[in-house]
Amino acid sequence: DTGVSQNPRHKITKRGQNVTFRCDPISEHNRLYWYRQTLGQGPEFLTYFQNEAQLEKSRLLSDRFSAERPKGSFSTLEIQRTEQGDSAMYLCASSGKQGAGTGELFFGEGSRLTVL
Amino acid sequence: AQRVTQPEKLLSVFKGAPVELKCNYSYSGSPELFWYVQYSRQRLQLLLRHISRESIKGFTADLNKGETSFHLKKPFAQEEDSAMYYCALSVFNAGNMLTFGGGTRLMVKP
Repeated sequence: DTGVSQNPRHKITKRGQNVTFRCDPISEHNRLYWYRQTLGQGPEFLTYFQNEAQLEKSRLLSDRFSAERPKGSFSTLEIQRTEQGDSAMYLCASSGKQGAGTGELFFGEGSRLTVL
Repeated sequence: AQRVTQPEKLLSVFKGAPVELKCNYSYSGSPELFWYVQYSRQRLQLLLRHISRESIKGFTADLNKGETSFHLKKPFAQEEDSAMYYCALSVFNAGNMLTFGGGTRLMVKP
């Protein structure tokens, strides 16, 4: 296992198009997180899953953003009708069953979105 | 809602000098605090957490609840310490959701 894997690494799209990012977490990890990072800022939490259940989604930026983890393994983050302001790095992270609040998230390399 | 503030975007020091990266937080309960680091062309990774009270790569951080701070310190900086450093906060029983600060870029000059 080489860690958290994200695809594609870079996506360039035109405004109004839909994009989807995929995240494959570390295989034994039951929690999966999506973050967004814009230039000069720290990662901003979007949503997270415990197994297939999406336990927090109120931080998704708008109803154009949605995430799924249908079988509790990989996850997808979809952005519909992209806007230029969606241009950012989208980070995925996973964590295991160490109990609440241990705080060690394992991050992927990110998927960079550029909206023209 | 919780908030993490890192007042310095950039900190530049010479090799061998002491380093202190500042982190302040706001949260009414008892948070857990962490430092994450991102070296050039590498992934974001955990450096240390306050509950472990550990020293990693010579770095330490003490949680000061009175001042709501969690500053990262190292007595003698090395060139390989050059990286982006992010302070992060987790709320107990909140599923490891981390709130990150804006980050500080540390540059250690030879």
